Amino acid sequence: AQSVTQPDIHITVSEGASLELRCNYSYGATPYLFWYVQSPGQGLQLLLKYFSGDTLVQGIKGFEAEFKRSQSSFNLRKPSVHWSDAAEYFCAVGGGYQKVTFGIGTKLQVIP
Amino acid sequence: EAGVTQFPSHSVIEKGQTVTLRCDPISGHDNLYWYRRVMGKEIKFLLHFVKESKQDESGMPNNRFLAERTGGTYSTLKVQPAELEDSGVYFCASSQDREHLGRQETQYFGPGTRLLVL
Repeated sequence: AQSVTQPDIHITVSEGASLELRCNYSYGATPYLFWYVQSPGQGLQLLLKYFSGDTLVQGIKGFEAEFKRSQSSFNLRKPSVHWSDAAEYFCAVGGGYQKVTFGIGTKLQVIP
Repeated sequence: EAGVTQFPSHSVIEKGQTVTLRCDPISGHDNLYWYRRVMGKEIKFLLHFVKESKQDESGMPNNRFLAERTGGTYSTLKVQPAELEDSGVYFCASSQDREHLGRQETQYFGPGTRLLVL
């Protein structure tokens, strides 16, 4: 069965600092991997996705993620965090023609 | 292009009442999914439609939940009778046809319906 682990439930960073959100997955085949973000009062927005090819994926809002098959990881990074990045971030696996399995989410707080 | 829309955005009902949630997918998307997030838990899959047919309903919690997609366009999810544990955020997602894009599809999510059962 597919699963996703996001070990950090809450993260606090200072504005302008770098960010890395961790994600580990379990999947029986080549995974389709996603990061979604949910801002307060908003729906889920797709940040980026990995299907195949280059393991470093660029997304919207300056985010990137790196797929590491050997570590079963798909960590999300941003070099400089803005206050507007405060939100909840979800890593997910699957998709394609299948259901998406989500991690529990990481809430990001940005302090001045 | 309009995204996935859901109605209502919020619903507060009493235990034992009936609630119907609606989802309008992105135009042309044959795949429609329902998910639910109970407070503090993961977002969990409920079911998947391909056009008007239920492809996978393995995540439906019990027979108090009924999903329909008549005509293969919008979908409704009815909870009857509602229980306290049904409270949460119900998300709908849609994606393009499998044959058009192979297996590489992205699911686009709506804003969710926040359901509170008192």
